[in-house]
Amino acid sequence: DGGITQSPKYLFRKEGQNVTLSCEQNLNHDAMYWYRQDPGQGLRLIYYSQIVNDFQKGDIAEGYSVSREKKESFPLTVTSAQKNPTAFYLCASSTRDINGYTFGSGTRLTVV
Amino acid sequence: GENVEQHPSTLSVQEGDSAVIKCTYSDSASNYFPWYKQELGKGPQLIIDIRSNVGEKKDQRIAVTLNKTAKHFSLHITETQPEDSAVYFCAAGVSNFGNEKLTFGTGTRLTIIP
Repeated sequence: DGGITQSPKYLFRKEGQNVTLSCEQNLNHDAMYWYRQDPGQGLRLIYYSQIVNDFQKGDIAEGYSVSREKKESFPLTVTSAQKNPTAFYLCASSTRDINGYTFGSGTRLTVV
Repeated sequence: GENVEQHPSTLSVQEGDSAVIKCTYSDSASNYFPWYKQELGKGPQLIIDIRSNVGEKKDQRIAVTLNKTAKHFSLHITETQPEDSAVYFCAAGVSNFGNEKLTFGTGTRLTIIP
């Protein structure tokens, strides 16, 4: 079955460490997105990529980095520069042929 | 940039009654307005969407209306059932049939009371 796989489901990080969240899709979608979800704040866009080897900052890109070396993969690195990284992170993808986003099941990151 | 406001933040309705969630947007260039349902611990799922050339769209018990002049759109759920309990998000953006960048509302937690 086609879909988006995010891993791991839960992630714990010590302060000062970088951590990478995985997002893989087998839907052949061109565009991929990373959103951060906090209680009462909805979904906020971190980065998005419309094509391989190209990506743009979203509304809250500071302290995050991404790469898009393959169409199927869009990993997100949460760096030590991100002051409040504890959140639920959602990856999504989209394509011309189908309306809207397909979301992954999310990664919950906790800084300990 | 786009700004989307969503109300109410929580909503409780008796099973069988209707639920309405409202959103407003700021950017008149936005032409695509999807609604997502998120169950606990899962990613959001698209339940219905509407484009700016249409005023209303229905899919069984779910409908969405759009007022471009007032820049607001609403989700209507009729004959609510317990499985409708979830968090609902509206979104707005400029869509070129794929590769759209969406701005989301803050979500509505809908609880259906049996």
